[in-house]
Amino acid sequence: TQLLEQSPQFLSIQEGENLTVYCNSSSVFSSLQWYRQEPGEGPVLLVTVVTGGEVKKLKRLTFQFGDARKDSSLHITAAQPGDTGLYLCAGNTGGFKTIFGAGTRLFVKA
Amino acid sequence: NAGVTQTPKFRILKIGQSMTLQCTQDMNHNYMYWYRQDPGMGLKLIYYSVGAGITDKGEVPNGYNVSRSTTEDFPLRLELAAPSQTSVYFCASRLDNNSNQPQHFGDGTRLSIL
Repeated sequence: TQLLEQSPQFLSIQEGENLTVYCNSSSVFSSLQWYRQEPGEGPVLLVTVVTGGEVKKLKRLTFQFGDARKDSSLHITAAQPGDTGLYLCAGNTGGFKTIFGAGTRLFVKA
Repeated sequence: NAGVTQTPKFRILKIGQSMTLQCTQDMNHNYMYWYRQDPGMGLKLIYYSVGAGITDKGEVPNGYNVSRSTTEDFPLRLELAAPSQTSVYFCASRLDNNSNQPQHFGDGTRLSIL
């Protein structure tokens, strides 16, 4: 069974702080995606990383795919209250199926 | 541009009742999925479909059924509701079998079985 473990499960920080969220697996993925979910809504795609070692930036968010394509990290610089939400990583092995992690719930206090 | 639309948003059922969760997408996507999301457990795949007339079981299919008579619609049916089926249900769609494509999610149906 393929598993994606996310850590931490919950994070509460002050506005302006930096944070990193991790997504780890023993499986190799062809690509990995990060989604953000707000209360009462479905997940929305933030980024897809495909190549081992790849780094992508989305404003204050930096995403990295591990060299072996088994893990990924999301770093947020100078977090803002608008970053509050559930962050999900999702691994793809090709074809129809996507494996989702349990998520990291982030709360940024003003 | 509606994307993926789920109805109803909320529902309370009694044990043993049946209901259908509706899902429709207007993006002409071939792949559609049903997930359930429980606290701290992530998204678990219930059923999926790769095109009209084709459906298959996911990770947790017991107690559910689906159909895909058109490209647009992918309803999920609960025949005999049980408390273990209390959850938030999400429908999603993806254009094709390119796994780098994003899945587009509806806003979910929150279902309570009492």
